[in-house]
Amino acid sequence: DAGITQSPRYKITETGRQVTLMCHQTWSHSYMFWYRQDLGHGLRLIYYSAAADITDKGEVPDGYVVSRSKTENFPLTLESATRSQTSVYFCASSEWGDIGAEAFFGQGTRLTVV
Amino acid sequence: GENVEQHPSTLSVQEGDSAVIKCTYSDSASNYFPWYKQELGKRPQLIIDIRSNVGEKKDQRIAVTLNKTAKHFSLHITETQPEDSAVYFCAVMNSGYSTLTFGKGTMLLVSP
Repeated sequence: DAGITQSPRYKITETGRQVTLMCHQTWSHSYMFWYRQDLGHGLRLIYYSAAADITDKGEVPDGYVVSRSKTENFPLTLESATRSQTSVYFCASSEWGDIGAEAFFGQGTRLTVV
Repeated sequence: GENVEQHPSTLSVQEGDSAVIKCTYSDSASNYFPWYKQELGKRPQLIIDIRSNVGEKKDQRIAVTLNKTAKHFSLHITETQPEDSAVYFCAVMNSGYSTLTFGKGTMLLVSP
């Protein structure tokens, strides 16, 4: 199916564990993003990527690692999960340049750190 | 970095009324201003956007206005319907960074 998909949809992990959230898009969009959504904070950018092998920090990058070896995949890794990383994570992709274009969001991953 | 303020945080209207949500931003170099709608448990989806060379854009019952001088833009929904109930996010893009900065969202509740 065409689109952008995230896995898993739900994840419970323990404090200190490493966990990886997957994101896959089929449009060959150059830009990909990871946001976290928390009540009262809206959507905050964690990391983004302008192309394969190019990544950059967003507003809240601490405790997260990303990679982008292929255009279609953009995994997000929590190296040592903390309770403050309990959140809903959204991946998005877009084909915008300097003028902006629609960002398409995945269905989200609800992560609970216990 | 960019700072986006969105008001109000919640908005309750009667079916058929109009709803207005406002956002302000800080970086005068910002040039793209989309609005996203997020229904409960769903992903955010684009409903309308405007670029810095345009002052107003309409799409059926929704419209967006942009005042670059004052650095604010607004979402207008007319003849609201219960299915308009959702959280609405404004966002701002600065071409220098190629990222979207979102407001904190407005929960719109339309009562029948």
